[in-house]
This record gives sequence, C-alpha cells and structure tokens, in this order.
Amino acid sequence: DTGVSQDPRHKITKRGQNVTFRCDPISEHNRLYWYRQTLGQGPEFLTYFQNEAQLEKSRLLSDRFSAERPKGSFSTLEIQRTEQGDSAMYLCASSLAVVDEQYFGPGTRLTVT
Amino acid sequence: SQQGEEDPQALSIQEGENATMNCSYKTSINNLQWYRQNSGRGLVHLILIRSNEREKHSGRLRVTLDTSKKSSSLLITASRAADTASYFCADPQGGYNKLIFGAGTRLAVHP
Repeated sequence: DTGVSQDPRHKITKRGQNVTFRCDPISEHNRLYWYRQTLGQGPEFLTYFQNEAQLEKSRLLSDRFSAERPKGSFSTLEIQRTEQGDSAMYLCASSLAVVDEQYFGPGTRLTVT
Repeated sequence: SQQGEEDPQALSIQEGENATMNCSYKTSINNLQWYRQNSGRGLVHLILIRSNEREKHSGRLRVTLDTSKKSSSLLITASRAADTASYFCADPQGGYNKLIFGAGTRLAVHP
C-alpha cells in the first residue's frame, strides 16, 4: 500500500502522560500536514511541513505539542502532559507542492482518561 | 476556526435517490474541494473545483460553484448504500494550502 500510513491507530493514555504519533507520507510528497478532528466536527489544521522545515503552526498547537519531520520523510507529533481535551482523531496528510489535493492517512484516535 | 459551513447537517435518503449538500464559505478562494469520510476508508478527496469554474462532474458526482454567493453544492446521483459517509467541503488557504474544513454533512443512504 503506497498511501499515507499512521501509527498507532488507537492510543489510550492516562492524563498527564506523554504520547507520540507517527506519520509516513506518500514517498514523493514534500508537503506534510497534521490536523485534529473532534467528534462531529471537520478536521482542524495543526501544523505544516515542507520537506523538513516546519513552516506554519496553528494557535491550536499549544506548548505541549511538538512536531518534527527530521529527514523530510516521516513525521512525529508528540503531546506532553496529555489532558482530556486532547482526546481526538489526529490526521496526517501529504501532497505534492504543485497539486492541491491532499491524501489523508487513517488517523490516530487518542483517548485520554 | 471553520471556514465552510455545510448544509444540511444530516441527510437521510433511500438508495437510488439523489443527494444534494451545500457549502458556504467566507473568504475568497482559489479552489474548493470536497472530501468524504467514512470509518472504512478515512478521509478521501472527491473533487476539486477552481474559482474560474462553475460546474464539474466526476462519475455520479456533480459540483457547482457560485463565487458571487460564496457557495458550492455537491450532488450525488443514484445514491448507493456505500455512499453513506460524512461529506466535507474545504478550501486551501495561505501559501501552504492548509485546508479549512466545514463541520460536514452526514449522509445516510438506506437500502
């Protein structure tokens, strides 16, 4: 399968713990996006990478959130000191620079208890 | 913050009927995109319509765009149970094309 993959698909954690998610984009895509989606809502933009450079971060991305894309390939999203309000689906998408369509991964569903 | 607003929030129809959902947006756009999301396949791009286009077709999908009213509509003809999903409009904003989604229309197609 050459689509966008995310790992893990589900994560249950206790409040205060740190979690890390991984996204593997389509190999030739240099643009990578993270979104967050809560129940009944559309996805909301979190952050954007072009190759390894993080070029935009949403105000939704508090200091507890950090994202990296160290070699311009896979990306990680870490949440420190998780809160119940962090419970959501975290989606990763990738695209080519000259094409507008974004390809989404299956998402990581985070539940903070 | 959400940019597009879909209408209706939910739609329930029988197989074979047509489904129409609408999207309104607030700022100027270069293009508008429609995505479908279901539990089986996640979020999938359906169709893109550019600001200089008024109508676009893809299989059983027809999208229209009215930039004077800042609105778009998605028509699914001859619906199937497999069309049951949430449908979102989204417009790419900024130089990095981040997508701004509406809250979506939940479509249920009954056999």
